[in-house]
Amino acid sequence: LAKTTQPISMDSYEGQEVNITCSHNNIATNDYITWYQQFPSQGPRFIIQGYKTKVTNEVASLFIPADRKSSTLSLPRVSLSDTAVYYCLVVGGRRALTFGSGTRLQVQP
Amino acid sequence: SAVISQKPSRDICQRGTSLTIQCQVDSQVTMMFWYRQQPGQSLTLIATANQGSEATYESGFVIDKFPISRPNLTFSTLTVSNMSPEDSSIYLCSVDLAGDDEQYFGPGTRLTVT
Repeated sequence: LAKTTQPISMDSYEGQEVNITCSHNNIATNDYITWYQQFPSQGPRFIIQGYKTKVTNEVASLFIPADRKSSTLSLPRVSLSDTAVYYCLVVGGRRALTFGSGTRLQVQP
Repeated sequence: SAVISQKPSRDICQRGTSLTIQCQVDSQVTMMFWYRQQPGQSLTLIATANQGSEATYESGFVIDKFPISRPNLTFSTLTVSNMSPEDSSIYLCSVDLAGDDEQYFGPGTRLTVT
């Protein structure tokens, strides 16, 4: 299983763009990069998934360089409600998810 | 998408007792998973529960301690047996919809063992 490394915590202010980078040096050819968000007292929620280059949805963008050894989750113009823990996961053929430590994002007013 | 409910949402139990947690999904799913999240920590997979077969447990988790039932495609239970304070955690179930890119998680069951 590819291990992921991401910052333990980040601070931001409302309206700013937040970029959370994750490294996954031993990612396999068939693996996808997936991000989940978890609010206190809730289960994790899928945000975005990508294989390479850039993926964008209504919530976030995901940037993956050509070597796929890292990825960056970009949250545009964060608000207080974006305060949560963000998990970067590498998902392959095994459907069960392996969670790393996650990044605790605190958005200040 | 899928909507998942768990019962109970929280409970306080005495050591040595057992608690069964229920997970109900609003659609039929093949794969269900049980996770544990200790206070302030990340999620750890306990087992994979597929309908019609024995649950598959991860290293460090055994069937005698965490028996799982999967009687049909919309329901599963996880029992935490002979509880100790170390079992105090949030227990979450999740489902994988075949052909979907994402997993859906229940709200969790917060267990406190005294």
